[in-house]
Amino acid sequence: GDSVTQMEGPVTLSEEAFLTINCTYTATGYPSLFWYVQYPGEGLQLLLKATKADDKGSNKGFEATYRKETTSFHLEKGSVQVSDSAVYFCALSEGAQKLVFGQGTRLTINP
Amino acid sequence: NAGVTQTPKFQVLKTGQSMTLQCAQDMNHNSMYWYRQDPGMGLRLIYYSASEGTTDKGEVPNGYNVSRLNKREFSLRLESAAPSQTSVYFCASRGQGMYSYNEQFFGPGTRLTVL
Repeated sequence: GDSVTQMEGPVTLSEEAFLTINCTYTATGYPSLFWYVQYPGEGLQLLLKATKADDKGSNKGFEATYRKETTSFHLEKGSVQVSDSAVYFCALSEGAQKLVFGQGTRLTINP
Repeated sequence: NAGVTQTPKFQVLKTGQSMTLQCAQDMNHNSMYWYRQDPGMGLRLIYYSASEGTTDKGEVPNGYNVSRLNKREFSLRLESAAPSQTSVYFCASRGQGMYSYNEQFFGPGTRLTVL
């Protein structure tokens, strides 16, 4: 079946550092790709998405590009803030109904 | 517009007890989902309902039952709780349409401990 593999965490950075969280996938067909964020004590929120190859999703300074040739969807941000501390999940759509999630990457930003 | 709501927020059960987790959405979405979240394992799908009146098993359905009561509500029942069901449970919903792109909206979660 389809699967998503994320960079293992936890990741700890200083404020204003550059962030990359790696995500690769295996899928049959042409899935949509997503990054969700989970702040402490909350449910998941959609951060950004891309629906076809070479699409770039962006939101709140985060970006990710759908790379079909490398089956990747890496999350990047140029300058992180303490408020970005959260758990980040990469996911893909499987068929018309389901999402398949990676295991999550915990990010901590120190001031 | 509350989005997806879940009750209760926290629950402690003893092994063998039963309980029902409630979920409701006010976005007129057709599809609803139940996930469990365990450390290092991401979210795993327990059951989902593509539309009112239908339910289907996900990746980890054993030990659970679901009811799609109406378009708004989707409940998850543990008939005889086991310590392995200690987890955080999330409900989600998804609309249909050209631009929904499988985006799911999540509730705040229920933290369940089975002793």
